[in-house]
Amino acid sequence: QKEVEQNSGPLSVPEGAIASLNCTYSDRGSQSFFWYRQYSGKSPELIMFIYSNGDKEDGRFTAQLNKASQYVSLLIRDSQPSDSATYLCAVGIQGAQKLVFGQGTRLTINP
Amino acid sequence: SQTIHQWPATLVQPVGSPLSLECTVEGTSNPNLYWYRQAAGRGLQLLFYSVGIGQISSEVPQNLSASRPQDRQFILSSKKLLLSDSGFYLCAWSVTTFSEAFFGQGTRLTVV
Repeated sequence: QKEVEQNSGPLSVPEGAIASLNCTYSDRGSQSFFWYRQYSGKSPELIMFIYSNGDKEDGRFTAQLNKASQYVSLLIRDSQPSDSATYLCAVGIQGAQKLVFGQGTRLTINP
Repeated sequence: SQTIHQWPATLVQPVGSPLSLECTVEGTSNPNLYWYRQAAGRGLQLLFYSVGIGQISSEVPQNLSASRPQDRQFILSSKKLLLSDSGFYLCAWSVTTFSEAFFGQGTRLTVV
């Protein structure tokens, strides 16, 4: 089982709709969770981080964490064409002292 | 503020040649340092990480090696490159294992 898993997509969403991205992880001791956005040919940039169960909102982005079910999700409201990118989920693996990324989900927002 | 420098931005190397990619971080002390590789259209594969000078953990057995000769310097090396070493190499740093990682601009390596 992979440490961090994402649906690779591609995920296609119409402009103005809500895009929902999901990620599951295997290590129950994981304590930190991150979402990165990566445009083609560029390095990843941090969008959000979440440490506690529940929702965390930042502008159009909402991160959701459920430690009991071992998943973390990212919602993008009012999706814009500029949101088209690959979204990477990352998890801080306790005890292993490393940050592990999922394979990423490619998101396309259609005008 | 903290910054991370990674060079070169692009590199074309023949099979069997050596490799040295360097990454330095400014504005912080004792960062966690990471080397990732990303094949075309794929996710980030963790290659090496380091929590301190001289402390290197390897994730995937391969013909690459890493060193951390100074607190804020991380080097990725190979004695003989393979075609399969082509990819986008990313250096990153974080304050701790559980804090966000910040990436350099990456090196696009093509082995021919």
